Amino acid sequence: EVQLVESGGGLVQPGGSLRLSCAASGFTFSSYAMSWVRQAPGKGLEWVSAISSSGGYTFHADSVKGRFTISRDDSKNTLYLQMNSLRAEDTALYYCAKAQADFWSGYSVSWGQGTLVTVSS
Amino acid sequence: EIVMTQSPATLSVSPGERATLSCWASQSVRSNLVWYQQKPGQAPRLLIYGASTRATGIPARFSGSGSGTEFTLTISSLQSEDFAVYYCQQYNNWPPEVTFGQGTKLEIK
Repeated sequence: EVQLVESGGGLVQPGGSLRLSCAASGFTFSSYAMSWVRQAPGKGLEWVSAISSSGGYTFHADSVKGRFTISRDDSKNTLYLQMNSLRAEDTALYYCAKAQADFWSGYSVSWGQGTLVTVSS
Repeated sequence: EIVMTQSPATLSVSPGERATLSCWASQSVRSNLVWYQQKPGQAPRLLIYGASTRATGIPARFSGSGSGTEFTLTISSLQSEDFAVYYCQQYNNWPPEVTFGQGTKLEIK
């Protein structure tokens, strides 16, 4: 069974940094592209970032480009999201999600339960 | 940016009845469209990909149709567990551009 467990969320001041982690199990992590999707409280879904299985291709939404970096450590079966220069509008529940194949095709087949990031002074 | 618009915002349907949810894209996304279901306090669940292919384990009462700019999710006979928020999402272009609709809340009538 696919399991994705996010961690690293919390309260951070505007301009601060945070690194989210996603521990994956139940599948061959190194064979799949992964992504992050966020959901502001009471709002809809917003795709954030994606990474290919090799890590050689990364993609970011315009709203986070230059501030967020997605990466992966296949030896630890873990996905990361480094978030810098955080803004109030980055406040959201951040989901880790597994793609259907090794390359990021644009959608996710399995999701974690999310980790909450709150940006506030 | 491709804008996805869902209609209606809220749909009230009785159990056992048919529900039809609509999604429009501001420009053609071909068949690069998925539908997710999200229940309160839960992560989204993939229902349909490629506009019409059911994901693994999704009951046959869920069906997707459409291509280009107009898409439909149909739930043929609503069960109690189907009442949730439904999102459409397009994945078009290269590099991938991903945008979600604002969601349709399916509630019990």
